[in-house]
Amino acid sequence: AQTVTQSQPEMSVQEAETVTLSCTYDTSESNYYLFWYKQPPSRQMILVIRQEAYKQQNATENRFSVNFQKAAKSFSLKISDSQLGDTAMYFCAFMKHGNQFYFGTGTSLTVIP
Amino acid sequence: GAVVSQHPSRVICKSGTSVKIECRSLDFQATTMFWYRQFPKKSLMLMATSNEGSKATYEQGVEKDKFLINHASLTLSTLTVTSAHPEDSSFYICSARGRGTDLRETQYFGPGTRLLVL
Repeated sequence: AQTVTQSQPEMSVQEAETVTLSCTYDTSESNYYLFWYKQPPSRQMILVIRQEAYKQQNATENRFSVNFQKAAKSFSLKISDSQLGDTAMYFCAFMKHGNQFYFGTGTSLTVIP
Repeated sequence: GAVVSQHPSRVICKSGTSVKIECRSLDFQATTMFWYRQFPKKSLMLMATSNEGSKATYEQGVEKDKFLINHASLTLSTLTVTSAHPEDSSFYICSARGRGTDLRETQYFGPGTRLLVL
């Protein structure tokens, strides 16, 4: 079975600063997808970013970028210029091709004004 | 695009009654829908996976007779909590996956339903 580990239960960052959330995973698959989802207090799960394992280039979405290290099975999320609206739970997720998701335990991020 | 709705957003019911939660994909056809349960400050726990027109596949430990899932069309799946008890109180979230590269390889989530059983 796949496992996803988020070792930082809680983190905080000053507004406008940069923060990195860590995620590691364990799999024997070579073709898979990795995701970061954001869950604000409303509890709506919002897709932040997606990375396809066969792509070496790190995915970016505006202020959000990932550092994907396939050999190390690491998939960290960097949030630049943090904003108050970034305060949320962040979940890392792994998916084999066409299969179910495996979620990490989440990191609670607080952006401090 | 890729919007998923859930109804109701919140429901309170008496112990012993049944509650139905609807999950709809509004702008795409959902070939697969997933139902999750989430406890406060915890991760999502997959309950079952349903493919359109076939029986749902339940995760180990999830009672299929208690949590009835129907995926009768490509845009609608329902979760019915039968004979609900206070321990069934939780936040239930559905997600959907569709056809095409982006829709097939990503799950899009509904806003969730908060169930409180008195």
